[in-house]
Formats: sequence, structure tokens, C-alpha cells
Amino acid sequence: DMKVTQMPRYLIKRMGENVLLECGQDMSHETMYWYRQDPGLGLQLIYISYDVDSNSEGDIPKGYRVSRKKREHFSLILDSAKTNQTSVYFCASSSSGTPNSDYTFGSGTRLLVI
Amino acid sequence: KTQVEQSPQSLVVRQGENCVLQCNYSVTPDNHLRWFKQDTGKGLVSLTVLVHENDKTSNGRYSATLDKDAKHSTLHITATLLDDTATYICVVGDRGSALGRLHFGAGTQLIVIP
Repeated sequence: DMKVTQMPRYLIKRMGENVLLECGQDMSHETMYWYRQDPGLGLQLIYISYDVDSNSEGDIPKGYRVSRKKREHFSLILDSAKTNQTSVYFCASSSSGTPNSDYTFGSGTRLLVI
Repeated sequence: KTQVEQSPQSLVVRQGENCVLQCNYSVTPDNHLRWFKQDTGKGLVSLTVLVHENDKTSNGRYSATLDKDAKHSTLHITATLLDDTATYICVVGDRGSALGRLHFGAGTQLIVIP
């Protein structure tokens, strides 16, 4: 079963702590994404990765960094978490980004920063 | 500025009724448009993708149209089921490659009642 797996599903962190969100996919997709979803807003792109060590900033990269050392694994790191980073984070992957490519989303990580 | 607007924000229908969800956008260029279904607490699942000027697609009880001149799309759900309760998200891709960006609407929350 092709899927994107996110860990953890739920996370509570104190302001200033470091946060690591992990994402894995088993489809050998080249392109992977990190988005955040906030109430009343569409998903916002944080980072996109075109392949191993080939990452680009999305629309809201400030306060985040990413790591992709293997094609199947893409991590999102928050150095010194802030309360406004409380959100639901989604990882996704696609084979090519073309209209006919599959977009597969993980189930999300719900992060609360207190 | 929001480039993808969905209406209504929320909708309640009785099981068995039909419904229509609207998506208006200002994204340019508009290479393709996708409709996703997001169950509560889950990731997004692609329902259909529309590419061409006056495209129409059908996927079981879901059908969609795209009018690129008007920058408008509709998603029709026929004979709704309780399992159709979800948020439906309209997404416009500005290119047909991984270099493009996906622009997300905030979604229409559909509730199907018995």
C-alpha cells in the first residue's frame, strides 16, 4: 500500500525547544513537500525537496529548516519553537509535479507549542 | 492575498441529496486544478484533476468541471452518503512540473446528515 507516513501524530513542546517532524514515503517519489494547515487558511508551503540534498524554500520558510539525506525520508526541523508555529503539519510527495502525477499526503502532525 | 476562494464555507445536506461546491481562483498561469477530500484528522486525498480549457471529469459520484476563461471550477457530489462528510479542497497548480506551486483554497466543510 503506497503511503506517506508522518511521525509523531501529536506533539506538545515548550517555546524555545527544538522540534523534529519526520516523514517517510515508500513510492520512490522524487519530490517531497512540507505544508502547514491553519484554521480558515489553505495549506501553505514551507519547503519543497526535489531530491536528496536538493531543497528549496516555499512561501513561509522562516523559522524552519529541512533535511533530506535519503529519497524516502524528509524531515522538518524547528529550531527554538515559537507559539505561532502551533499548527498541523502535512508532508506530501509526488512523482513529478505534473497534472497526472500522484500527490500523496500523510495524515499530519498536530504540533502545540506552549 | 487569497488566490483560491471556495464557497460555501460550509454546507449541510441530507443523505441522498446532491450538492455543488464552487471554486474561483485568480492564479496565473493556471496549468491544472485538483479537488481533494480531507476527512477530519486525516491527510488530503485526490478526487480528480482537470487540465484543459473546459474539462469535465467523473469519478463515481463525484464529477467536476473547469472553465479556465472564468477561472472557475465546480465539484458535484451526487446522492451523498454519510461518508462524504469531509472538507473538500480546491487546489490550482501554476505549472505542469515539480517546479510549479500548488495554491490551496481553505476548503468547503460538507456535513451529511441522516
